[in-house]
Amino acid sequence: EAQVTQNPRYLITVTGKKLTVTCSQNMNHEYMSWYRQDPGLGLRQIYYSMNVEVTDKGDVPEGYKVSRKEKRNFPLILESPSPNQTSLYFCASSRWGDSPLHFGNGTRLTVT
Amino acid sequence: KNEVEQSPQNLTAQEGEFITINCSYSVGISALHWLQQHPGGGIVSLFMLSSGKKKHGRLIATINIQEKHSSLHITASHPRDSAVYICAVRGSQGNLIFGKGTKLSVKP
Repeated sequence: EAQVTQNPRYLITVTGKKLTVTCSQNMNHEYMSWYRQDPGLGLRQIYYSMNVEVTDKGDVPEGYKVSRKEKRNFPLILESPSPNQTSLYFCASSRWGDSPLHFGNGTRLTVT
Repeated sequence: KNEVEQSPQNLTAQEGEFITINCSYSVGISALHWLQQHPGGGIVSLFMLSSGKKKHGRLIATINIQEKHSSLHITASHPRDSAVYICAVRGSQGNLIFGKGTKLSVKP
């Protein structure tokens, strides 16, 4: 089944403890991206990648890192999480930049 | 001013009604997406448009590039259409910019 898999679905952590949210797609898509969704602010793009070893900042990249070492995986890394990074996170992929998006199920992160 | 504006923010309709959700944007774009987010939180892509009109079942999406405007229409609405509908545009730098969404509730 074609899908984008995010893990974990829920995560509670403390300020400053490094964490990684994984994202994997099995559709051989070139484009992958990360978003956060906050009440009143909607969805905002954090980082995106047009291909392996190519990443670009979205609207809200501060405090996040990504890597694209292989086509299927695009992990989101929070080196030192802070409470303002408490949010609902989505990963998405598409065949290329202007193709329909496929979203993962989301990761609800709470940083205390 | 937000680069992507959706209207209305909230919409309540009776089952069977024709529904229109609007999206206006102020940046140059290469494509526009319509997304649906159900109460459980999952997001599904409905349409990706760069010109003209697309139809899928009871859903129709149109875009007018000159006027920087897109509409999403739902014909013969049904309670299962209740969701948040989100417009997103791809800017000239490749990033995606989202509207804040339209919350639709269809009453039986």
